[in-house]
Amino acid sequence: GAVVSQHPSWVICKSGTSVKIECRSLDFQATTMFWYRQFPKQSLMLMATSNEGSKATYEQGVEKDKFLINHASLTWSTLTVTSAHPEDSSFYICSARVLTGTYEQYFGPGTRLTVT
Amino acid sequence: QKEVEQDPGPLSVPEGAIVSLNCTYSNSAFQYFMWYRQYSRKGPELLMYTYSSGNKEDGRFTAQVDKSSKYISLFIRDSQPSDSATYLCAMSPSGGSYIPTFGRGTSLIVHP
Repeated sequence: GAVVSQHPSWVICKSGTSVKIECRSLDFQATTMFWYRQFPKQSLMLMATSNEGSKATYEQGVEKDKFLINHASLTWSTLTVTSAHPEDSSFYICSARVLTGTYEQYFGPGTRLTVT
Repeated sequence: QKEVEQDPGPLSVPEGAIVSLNCTYSNSAFQYFMWYRQYSRKGPELLMYTYSSGNKEDGRFTAQVDKSSKYISLFIRDSQPSDSATYLCAMSPSGGSYIPTFGRGTSLIVHP
């Protein structure tokens, strides 16, 4: 149980284009989803937190107009990187927290974004 | 001082060894403690989840929390080459948004 899927696993795009990454909790409902960014050999950097049906809360320094988050249901969230630039190349990972009780948090497999 | 400190390693051990991974923290409000395993180019996988102090065992893994010392540990018995990965500790307070704070991860290498 507690499986989070993420799609695509790897995407290459040209500078100036937009990329959408999808995240789904497959066997549980998630009140809260998180989006992280991770650079090689670095820890997870929280970008934003979103609750179903609400606007996302972005961490300091994260541009909300560049990283658009949509959390339309208890099992689905998307991150859109708009007007991507090479410095946006990174590993993006979504995470979902179970609806009640233990606040356990489960991660997707990640999406490697390369902007050329 | 960071809220959560974790030695990045790498920690190299022979197969079959007992591995001890540790984190220290400064925020006394932390109540939930988690350990994740992350293989290269993959998302983190939740290994252990504990609330408050004490021990929790699951197979070859044992998690310990010592809140008086603000110190948590993950022990791996009979380590295997497949355990080679980065291990991240995470912790969150009780109340509020429960957003966890992660350590930077310890790279573990188990060699045959």
